[in-house]
Amino acid sequence: RKEVEQDPGPFNVPEGATVAFNCTYSNSASQSFFWYRQDCRKEPKLLMSVYSSGNEDGRFTAQLNRASQYISLLIRDSKLSDSATYLCVVIYGAGNMLTFGGGTRLMVKP
Amino acid sequence: NAGVTQTPKFRVLKTGQSMTLLCAQDMNHEYMYWYRQDPGMGLRLIHYSVGEGTTAKGEVPDGYNVSRLKKQNFLLGLESAAPSQTSVYFCASSYSLAGSYNEQFFGPGTRLTVL
Repeated sequence: RKEVEQDPGPFNVPEGATVAFNCTYSNSASQSFFWYRQDCRKEPKLLMSVYSSGNEDGRFTAQLNRASQYISLLIRDSKLSDSATYLCVVIYGAGNMLTFGGGTRLMVKP
Repeated sequence: NAGVTQTPKFRVLKTGQSMTLLCAQDMNHEYMYWYRQDPGMGLRLIHYSVGEGTTAKGEVPDGYNVSRLKKQNFLLGLESAAPSQTSVYFCASSYSLAGSYNEQFFGPGTRLTVL
């Protein structure tokens, strides 16, 4: 079983739609959580950190559920420019290394 | 600031050839990393460095070597390339190792094909 699992998608949504992705992690000792965004054939870039109480950044909302070991990303009012792959990232262990999920691809259509 | 740069951007090798990938960062970060990205696998850590002169193994270190002779540079070497090493290689750097300050900044990637 992968340590960090994501539905690869693609999620095809129209502009203006609300879309949500989940990411499950297997290690209950996981300490920190992030969402990175990766455009086609580009490098990953940090989208947002995920805090225990949940957090919002404009149209993006991240939630953490430690009991069920998953994090979520909600995107409201989708834009064409939101089309990308969203990578779930988890940190755990003494080395504090990042563990990446395989990514969820989002395609926003006009 | 250029951020994180990688050289070369593309490379095709024959099985058994060697090459070195160069990563450079101008953000004075202590920590640097090499990842490979394969379809559906996410990014996997090959090697990392917590400072000049130090390196450590990541999740998939076999077949690769690294060196960090200068703080701003992190080199990834393939001594005898194999087709299984066909991948996109990303270098990253970060200010710190842990917690919320662990944003990693990535280079643009090197697309390597081994025939």
